[in-house]
Amino acid sequence: KAGVTQTPRYLIKTRGQQVTLSCSPISGHRSVSWYQQTPGQGLQFLFEYFSETQRNKGNFPGRVSGRQFSNSRSEMNVSTLELGDSALYLCASSFSGKETQYFGPGTRLLVL
Amino acid sequence: EDQVTQSPEALRLQEGESSSLNCSYTVSGLRGLFWYRQDPGKGPEFLFTLYSAGEEKEKERLKATLTKKESFLHITAPKPEDSATYLCAGELSGGYNKLIFGAGTRLAVHP
Repeated sequence: KAGVTQTPRYLIKTRGQQVTLSCSPISGHRSVSWYQQTPGQGLQFLFEYFSETQRNKGNFPGRVSGRQFSNSRSEMNVSTLELGDSALYLCASSFSGKETQYFGPGTRLLVL
Repeated sequence: EDQVTQSPEALRLQEGESSSLNCSYTVSGLRGLFWYRQDPGKGPEFLFTLYSAGEEKEKERLKATLTKKESFLHITAPKPEDSATYLCAGELSGGYNKLIFGAGTRLAVHP
C-alpha cells in the first residue's frame, strides 16, 4: 500500500513569491493534516481537512491556507513568502481524523 | 496552555546500553499519546499510540508506557540503527488529529 506522497520534495523561492505544495494521502484516507517543522519551533500544526472541509486550524497567519479536493488530495499555499517560512512542510493522513496519522516525506522550502 | 516536554534533548548511548526517554504533558482532554521516530530529512514514522494510564506497548527493542502525567520510551540494548530523533505528541480530545509535539530527543547509538 503506497504511503503519503508530497510534491515537490524541494523548493527554492524568493521573498514575496507564493508557493503551493501538494499532498496525496494513503488510499482510503480522507483526513489530511499539515504541519510545519523548523529547528526553532519544532513541529507545529497548521490545519486539518476532511471531505473538503477545514475542521481544525492552528495559530498561523492568513498567508497560509489550504484546500482539499474530492479525491482527498490536499494542497497548501503560502503567499507573500517571508524568510521565516523556510521549513519542512509535512503532510499526514488518517482514515477519518480519529486514528493514527501517517506522515509523508515532507517538502523542504527555502526562501531566499 | 497545552504543552508537551521531552527530555533529554540529546542522548548518546553505547550499543547495548539501555535507557529511557521522557515525555511529560499538560494537555487538557488528552485523547492519545503518540510516539514517532524521525530520521534526518524524512517524515516522522509512527511507532506507538497510548490511550490510557497504565497502558504499555512494545516493538522490537522499544517499549512505551503511559502514566497520567508522562510517557516513557524505553530502549533495550539499542543498536546503531536506532539512532534518530524520537518525537512525542499529544492529541486533544475532539481535535481531529491536531497533534501537539514535543521538541524531540536526538538519540545517537555508537558501536
